[in-house]
Amino acid sequence: NAGVTQTPKFRILKIGQSMTLQCTQDMNHNYMYWYRQDPGMGLKLIYYSVGAGITDKGEVPNGYNVSRSTTEDFPLRLELAAPSQTSVYFCASSDPRLGGGGTQYFGPGTRLLVL
Amino acid sequence: AQSVSQHNHHVILSEAASLELGCNYSYGGTVNLFWYVQYPGQHLQLLLKYFSGDPLVKGIKGFEAEFIKSKFSFNLRKPSVQWSDTAEYFCAVNARGGYQKVTFGTGTKLQVIP
Repeated sequence: NAGVTQTPKFRILKIGQSMTLQCTQDMNHNYMYWYRQDPGMGLKLIYYSVGAGITDKGEVPNGYNVSRSTTEDFPLRLELAAPSQTSVYFCASSDPRLGGGGTQYFGPGTRLLVL
Repeated sequence: AQSVSQHNHHVILSEAASLELGCNYSYGGTVNLFWYVQYPGQHLQLLLKYFSGDPLVKGIKGFEAEFIKSKFSFNLRKPSVQWSDTAEYFCAVNARGGYQKVTFGTGTKLQVIP
């Protein structure tokens, strides 16, 4: 299994541009998450999904959108990039049906720089 | 709402020194507790977890953590650190049954000097 994969690894955007961060998992997990990681701030939850067709806002959803049309994919959309969105973005998945208290499996991250 | 506090932001130790990283959480109900580790340039991975049973849990690479319910704490320990333990460590909590609401601490950067 590849686990959780993310593309791209690194991207530079100009202010006002849009882009989609891709996330795919091959573990058949029903829960998926998007976090952003800023220095000294830990991980902040942007959006999460508990299954195909179901998404909900996390702690810092403004400026982002998500969709979940399949179990495997959970793309994150930035519509109008702003410098405040410069960050490292991590996608994760979990499945409480497997037990283990909801352990999350993380992707390698996407580093985004907005100039 | 749940919250997690990690009091040590940056810890520097010499090899063979003992390690203890503090983690306190705030939540009124039953929780699952995790420690994740992020090695330089890598993604987060699970170090250890507690969700029931023995409050002293052992993880990979000789790490252990003790859940003390009365203190709302889940401190991470290792008797003797190695240079390869240099990483950032995150404590996380979710409410039992509320798997979508995982809250992470701000992280502790550990630097081990050879």
